[in-house]
Amino acid sequence: NAGVTQTPKFRILKIGQSMTLQCTQDMNHNYMYWYRQDPGMGLKLIYYSVGAGITDKGEVPNGYNVSRSTTEDFPLRLELAAPSQTSVYFCASSYGNTQYFGPGTRLTVL
Amino acid sequence: GDSVTQMEGPVTLSEEAFLTINCTYTATGYPSLFWYVQYPGEGLQLLLKATKADDKGSNKGFEATYRKETTSFHLEKGSVQVSDSAVYFCALRDPPSDAGGTSYGKLTFGQGTILTVHP
Repeated sequence: NAGVTQTPKFRILKIGQSMTLQCTQDMNHNYMYWYRQDPGMGLKLIYYSVGAGITDKGEVPNGYNVSRSTTEDFPLRLELAAPSQTSVYFCASSYGNTQYFGPGTRLTVL
Repeated sequence: GDSVTQMEGPVTLSEEAFLTINCTYTATGYPSLFWYVQYPGEGLQLLLKATKADDKGSNKGFEATYRKETTSFHLEKGSVQVSDSAVYFCALRDPPSDAGGTSYGKLTFGQGTILTVHP
């Protein structure tokens, strides 16, 4: 099992550009999540999904969109990048009480 | 709403010292409690967990006991090593509910505590 994989590992965007952060899990988990981690802060939930075709907003969804067409994939879309979106993004999936995290994507918006 | 408060860091210790990182929480109902560890440049890994009052989670020499009466879940280790240097996050998780409920098993994290262990 690869677990939760994320691509890319690093990305630099210019203000106004768009991009998609990819997340894939091979554990057949229904629940998936996107978090952002800002320096000195805990993780904040952006979006989550309870299964294919079902997504909903977390605490900080503004500026992001998600889709969940398959159990395995949960991409996060930034449409108009802003400096406030500079952060480290973590995808996670869960089964029971345990969440499994990907290695993260470090995004810088200049 | 739910919240988790961790002791302020950073924490700097010498090898073989005793470690305590305090964590208190506010939640409705009966959450599960977790400690996650993040090594430099990596994602979060589950360190230990406890799902009900008085449970003790343990792993790799770390321990934490779910104390409902004090709403705490303090992390301890008797003798730290240089390889324990990392960021430690306390978190709670409401149990998942059916679609249409307000709970979806999300984690609420503390702000993290940076631990540095010197030889």
